[in-house]
Order: sequence, then structure tokens, then C-alpha cells
Amino acid sequence: GDSVTQMEGPVTLSEEAFLIINCTYTATGYPSLFWYVQYPGEGLQLLLKATKADDKGSNKGFEATYRKETTSFHLEKGSVQVSDSAVYFCALSDQGGSYIPTFGRGTSLIVHP
Amino acid sequence: GAGVSQSPRYKVAKRGQDVALRCDPISGHVSLFWYQQALGQGPEFLTYFQNEAQLDKSGLPSDRFFAERPEGSVSTLKIQRTQQEDSAVYLCASTSGPLNEQFFGPGTRLTVL
Repeated sequence: GDSVTQMEGPVTLSEEAFLIINCTYTATGYPSLFWYVQYPGEGLQLLLKATKADDKGSNKGFEATYRKETTSFHLEKGSVQVSDSAVYFCALSDQGGSYIPTFGRGTSLIVHP
Repeated sequence: GAGVSQSPRYKVAKRGQDVALRCDPISGHVSLFWYQQALGQGPEFLTYFQNEAQLDKSGLPSDRFFAERPEGSVSTLKIQRTQQEDSAVYLCASTSGPLNEQFFGPGTRLTVL
């Protein structure tokens, strides 16, 4: 079945540091890939997505590139801010198989001033 | 607001009690998902509605869990004879189509004593 594996947290960084959160997936069909963010006390919200190989999703300074050859969708940001502190979830939705979204376990990011 | 709302936000139940969790999706969204999120984990799929039809309930962990969406809008997740292992955050998400961006509510945190 489909699965998503993302790096364990927490990831602790100083403000303006470079961020990468690794995400790899397995899927039987042709997945769309997503990153969701959950700020404290709030629901998950879509951060970015990519629907086919080599697509790059980007939003709020975050980027992720759909790499079919390595089955990866790593999240990157060049300079993090304290306000980026949240839990980040990698997810997939398999267009060729079940539409049921599959989420990773989440990676907590803590950014210190 | 125009987002997904859930109520109650917090629910404490004694083991054996029945609980009902409510989700108000974004107006006009035909698809509605319920998820269970254990501490430190990603959301796990429970069930999916398209309008009033429950198209998939494969994620419901036992026959104590029941969901309905009788008029294709508000949905209720009911858990009968709650057990301690039911303690989790229950998330609702709505979308204009099953593969489109999901809009999540803030969740209901259920604690079973």
C-alpha cells in the first residue's frame, strides 16, 4: 500500500538557518504530493503541492520538488523565521489508486530567535 | 468564518460513554473526510463522504464508530461505548473534490478516562 516516511523531529534551528525536512514515499499509482503545516492550536493547512514528476511546489518561501527517481519530496526553506515553528506533514494522494490521502507522522520544527 | 468548524473542541468521556463529534464543512464542498490523529502521529483516514453518501468507511477501527452526513453538509462522527484507546484528536476535512486540497477543521480532542 501507499506510505509516506518523513524525518523524525523535533528539528531545532536558529532564525535565518536553512531548513530541509526529508520525505520519501511509496505509491502504486501516480501520486500527487503535498506538504501540510499545523500551527499550534490550529488545523492542518496546505502549504504546497506538486502533481507530477519534476514539478516544484512553492509557498511562503518553502519549496519542494517532486522527484520520481528517488521517490522524494523534501521540504526546503533558505531562511527560517520564528513564525515557521509548527508541525509539517508530508502527504500523498494516489490518482491511479485509492484517493484516500496518506500522511506521514509529522516533523516538528522549532525556530529560536 | 468560512472555514471548517468542529465541535466540541475538547471532550472528556468516561469509559463506556457514547460521544458525538460534529463537523461543519465549507459551504458547497461535496467531499468530507474524517481522520483520527494520535499523539505524535499523522492523521489516519477513517471515512469519506461525497454529499450524503458514505463512499468509504474502511478506516473505521471498529463497529463502535459510526459516521453520518444525512443532508450532505454537516457530519457527525459517533463513538459508542468509548474505550481508552479512542483517545485522540479527530479531524474533519472538506474539499471540492476528493483529489483537491483538503481544508481541515481545528479538530476535537477526545480524552477517555
